[in-house]
Amino acid sequence: DIQMTQSPSTLSASVGDRVTITCRASQSISSWLAWYQQKPGKAPKLLIYKASYLESGVPSRFSGSGSGTEFIFTISSLQPDDFATYYCQQYNSYPGTFGQGTKVEVK
Amino acid sequence: EVHLLESGGGLVQPGGSLRLSCAASGFTFSGYAMSWVRQAPGKGLEWVSEISAGGDSIYYADSVKGRFTFSRDNSKNTLNLQMNSLRAEDTAVYYCAKNYFGAPSAFGLWGQGTMVTVSS
Repeated sequence: DIQMTQSPSTLSASVGDRVTITCRASQSISSWLAWYQQKPGKAPKLLIYKASYLESGVPSRFSGSGSGTEFIFTISSLQPDDFATYYCQQYNSYPGTFGQGTKVEVK
Repeated sequence: EVHLLESGGGLVQPGGSLRLSCAASGFTFSGYAMSWVRQAPGKGLEWVSEISAGGDSIYYADSVKGRFTFSRDNSKNTLNLQMNSLRAEDTAVYYCAKNYFGAPSAFGLWGQGTMVTVSS
């Protein structure tokens, strides 16, 4: 199975900050990577697919980049609604595996 | 409006069985592969199973292979996950999800989830 490693596990930030999360794959996944946002008690929400494509309706402050084994997720200016846990997911091969999550909390 | 609604969760003893369902609406259900993803309490996301649009190809995580059976009824826009020989480690919120495109895939639509608790 392909292992996905996110860093950091927890990130403390303030409204307006630029936030960056890294996701590394244990082997190349080309650009088959997605990013999700999850709030407590809610289902995950797709934000980014194919590493850098913004899902319809998702604010442009969210972005993704990378290919191969290293990927970056960025929130350009953190908003109050963005405090949540973020997960990366590879879908290059079965089983589709998720990173362990990055919790973005209030600093 | 596109929507997925899971049902069937509950408390079951170890070794028992449970059948989850997912009702889909608002999109051409028969045109999409569908999946189950679970999340143990306080833990991350784990892909469980995927079924092709026509139901002829099904994939399972090793952790559930041989115990879970995923099926779909395109005439009723429903999914079913039959879970047998349940273990404590199967305790989780189970989400049904619509594959974004292709397979394997990202998941563009999720249900609200149904809780399964395996405990004596």
